[in-house]
Amino acid sequence: SQTIHQWPATLVQPVGSPLSLECTVEGTSNPNLYWYRQAAGRGLQLLFYSVGIGQISSEVPQNLSASRPQDRQFILSSKKLLLSDSGFYLCAWSSSQGPQPQHFGDGTRLSIL
Amino acid sequence: QKEVEQDPGPLSVPEGAIVSLNCTYSNSAFQYFMWYRQYSRKGPELLMYTYSSGNKEDGRFTAQVDKSSKYISLFIRDSQPSDSATYLCAMANYNFNKFYFGSGTKLNVKP
Repeated sequence: SQTIHQWPATLVQPVGSPLSLECTVEGTSNPNLYWYRQAAGRGLQLLFYSVGIGQISSEVPQNLSASRPQDRQFILSSKKLLLSDSGFYLCAWSSSQGPQPQHFGDGTRLSIL
Repeated sequence: QKEVEQDPGPLSVPEGAIVSLNCTYSNSAFQYFMWYRQYSRKGPELLMYTYSSGNKEDGRFTAQVDKSSKYISLFIRDSQPSDSATYLCAMANYNFNKFYFGSGTKLNVKP
């Protein structure tokens, strides 16, 4: 069966520091991968999605970037964090074979001080 | 107008009650409809996945889609305290390359 791992679960960072959140998927090949941010009481905001290695689409221009160095690895980065980057970050995957729903990791709660 | 509208609640019901959760949407191109359950500090977990109009049942859960009214529902029978969570609806068009999520309804089932 397929599993998705995200780490760390919780992160506290100072303003201006760099960020690297990692997500890996097991048990499937060539998945579609997604990064979302979820603000309290609000829906999921799609940040980036990827249909293959090195292929990244950005949905919202912002202080963040994403990379996919390997088939089942998706990384969310920032060179300098802003206070507004605080939130709950979720990684998700879906099969690239036909219409399939997304499956989420357990998220990273990021607090910027 | 948002693509997907969902009442944030909270919705509080006694144990054993039938719960009805709903979403409306504006884009008639949506063909795939999903319901996710999200516990506090966890990621959303897929509960139900349906295509086009009609009903789908899985245990105590029934998903209903009415494309003519652009309205979807999730019914939970014999609700349990363990059902207390936030429920998010989600939708996608035919090529499934983008998902649209509701903001979630918080459900509290009281013992």
